[in-house]
Amino acid sequence: NAGVMQNPRHLVRRRGQEARLRCSPMKGHSHVYWYRQLPEEGLKFMVYLQKENIIDESGMPKERFSAEFPKEGPSILRIQQVVRGDSAAYFCASSPLPQAHYEQYFGPGTRLTVT
Amino acid sequence: TQLLEQSPQFLSIQEGENLTVYCNSSSVFSSLQWYRQEPGEGPVLLVTVVTGGEVKKLKRLTFQFGDARKDSSLHITAAQPGDTGLYLCAGQGVYGGSQGNLIFGKGTKLSVKP
Repeated sequence: NAGVMQNPRHLVRRRGQEARLRCSPMKGHSHVYWYRQLPEEGLKFMVYLQKENIIDESGMPKERFSAEFPKEGPSILRIQQVVRGDSAAYFCASSPLPQAHYEQYFGPGTRLTVT
Repeated sequence: TQLLEQSPQFLSIQEGENLTVYCNSSSVFSSLQWYRQEPGEGPVLLVTVVTGGEVKKLKRLTFQFGDARKDSSLHITAAQPGDTGLYLCAGQGVYGGSQGNLIFGKGTKLSVKP
């Protein structure tokens, strides 16, 4: 039973470029959450999505960041015009049921480095 | 804003010793989870506690949720080098939002030396 898949595992971008991070939830899970982990910081919630809907984006920066979870295909976290401060590990998690938000299973993460 | 404070931040012990890690808040949580994270990997869910006063055991690990659902502890008996890692507590808040977001502590970095 495959777990949450994220790719790429490592991504290097120059300042001003775009970064696209992909997440495929566990089979049977239709709820996806994105978190960011900065060095020496805990994981911070960014956005919660269901298929074709953004449910809660209270943790997303107002500019340059967007997320989607289309009917077909993986969830995408998109960062436009990246800056050095965007360097972090980005984790995706999924859960099976809306009433079991706490049962979140995490992927291995994408480590973004902005040079 | 709901916060979770973990202590200690770092813990280095010898194989065979016991240890306890704490997760505290001034806020109530509807559930609390413990995860373990290894370098370069994502957090792995260990346990979820939901009821105040609940105790769960996972082999040599014992998890407790405080009666008021504001704090939790993780106790490891006879630690082994394989227990080395970053232990994270995360809570699902009771107030506002979609309740889909977990609030994480900064973690306890445990090192067990053989």
